[in-house]
Amino acid sequence: AAGVIQSPRHLIKEKRETATLKCYPIPRHDTVYWYQQGPGQDPQFLISFYEKMQSDKGSIPDRFSAQQFSDYHSELNMSSLELGDSALYFCASSPSGTRGDTQYFGPGTRLTVL
Amino acid sequence: GEDVEQSLFLSVREGDSSVINCTYTDSSSTYLYWYKQEPGAGLQLLTYIFSNMDMKQDQRLTVLLNKKDKHLSLRIADTQTGDSAIYFCAESSGGGADGLTFGKGTHLIIQP
Repeated sequence: AAGVIQSPRHLIKEKRETATLKCYPIPRHDTVYWYQQGPGQDPQFLISFYEKMQSDKGSIPDRFSAQQFSDYHSELNMSSLELGDSALYFCASSPSGTRGDTQYFGPGTRLTVL
Repeated sequence: GEDVEQSLFLSVREGDSSVINCTYTDSSSTYLYWYKQEPGAGLQLLTYIFSNMDMKQDQRLTVLLNKKDKHLSLRIADTQTGDSAIYFCAESSGGGADGLTFGKGTHLIIQP
């Protein structure tokens, strides 16, 4: 079965640079979520989109922004990167954005900031 | 705010049952999930339970929910070496498209 696709899988950036992470949800899923998982940490929710509109917001820094496009893929834009932004970034998708909808996670993008 | 607690490590012998426990504080938590994460990999949904259920069984996995004590457990029968991973408990209490709140994860270590 098709899964969530994330690109790139690995990304190395320098401090103060920008990065763009992409997420392609499971076909016919219209809801996308972004999470950040630091080394040895649990995933922290950043932001979600349902039908191209922002739905819920977690601990997303002001330096980060995200959007969902007409084909339901999503991009997480990260500016003025800091060493502490080094983490695994997961995207998840769910079928309908309704209460209790099950979220399916992608393999993650490992971002390293030097 | 919501808080989800798990013990950090659990060591079991191969073939025994593993029981991973989780407690949560948000009384409005209505959806509870177990995810598995192998080293360097993504989060694999194992199972979930809604708050109107006490138990759910899926092959080797049994989930028990004690809503009064806000306690959730995952039992893995006949634990195998392939079960070695980090197991995260997660809860959702909000409306549609709300983010999940995860516990810190329990490292399941399998002894031969």
